[in-house]
Amino acid sequence: QVQLVESGGGVVQPGRSLRLSCAASGVTLSFYAVHWVRQAPGKGLEWVAVISYDGSERYYADSVKGRFTISRDKSGNTVYLQMNGLRVGDTATYHCARDWGVRRTMFYFDDWGQGTLVTVSS
Amino acid sequence: EVVLTQSPGTLSLSPGERATLSCRASQSVGTNQLAWYQQKPGQAPRLLIYDASSRTTAFPDRFRGSGSGTDFTLTVDRLEPEDFALYYCQQYAATPITFGQGTRLEIK
Repeated sequence: QVQLVESGGGVVQPGRSLRLSCAASGVTLSFYAVHWVRQAPGKGLEWVAVISYDGSERYYADSVKGRFTISRDKSGNTVYLQMNGLRVGDTATYHCARDWGVRRTMFYFDDWGQGTLVTVSS
Repeated sequence: EVVLTQSPGTLSLSPGERATLSCRASQSVGTNQLAWYQQKPGQAPRLLIYDASSRTTAFPDRFRGSGSGTDFTLTVDRLEPEDFALYYCQQYAATPITFGQGTRLEIK
């Protein structure tokens, strides 16, 4: 059974940084692109970023470009989201999601984690 | 960016009825690069349909996706109690990937 688990969320002041992690069990994450998708409290889904299976390609939503960086460790099995310059509007539950494609990015999401809550507040 | 508009915002139906959910794109989503997700309270979304009409094995054939270009539909036949949830469409024809605002399917 595939399980994605996010960690690293918490309460942080505006302008500060946070790093989220995404680890998987039941699947070799290094074969897949991984996305971050966020959901503000009571709101809909917003795609944030994606990293290809080999780390060679990364894409970001305009709302986070230049502030957030997606990466993966050398094994490829843990994916990170470094969030700098956090804003109140970044408050959301951040889900990592495994891309459907094997060794290619299809840009839709198969397995999702339950998410980690990031609250940006002074 | 491609804006997806879902309608209705809330759909109230009884078990056994048919649900028809709409997703309209502001521009063509290529070769039907559209997915649907189901989300229940406190849970992560689950992929239901991809490529506009391909259903994942996690869902029964009561769920059907259709449409092309800019107009897409998710149809759920013979509603079961577990089908009442939030449904989102998502396009992946262009980055940024975008979602619709969701349709809430509730028990009447």
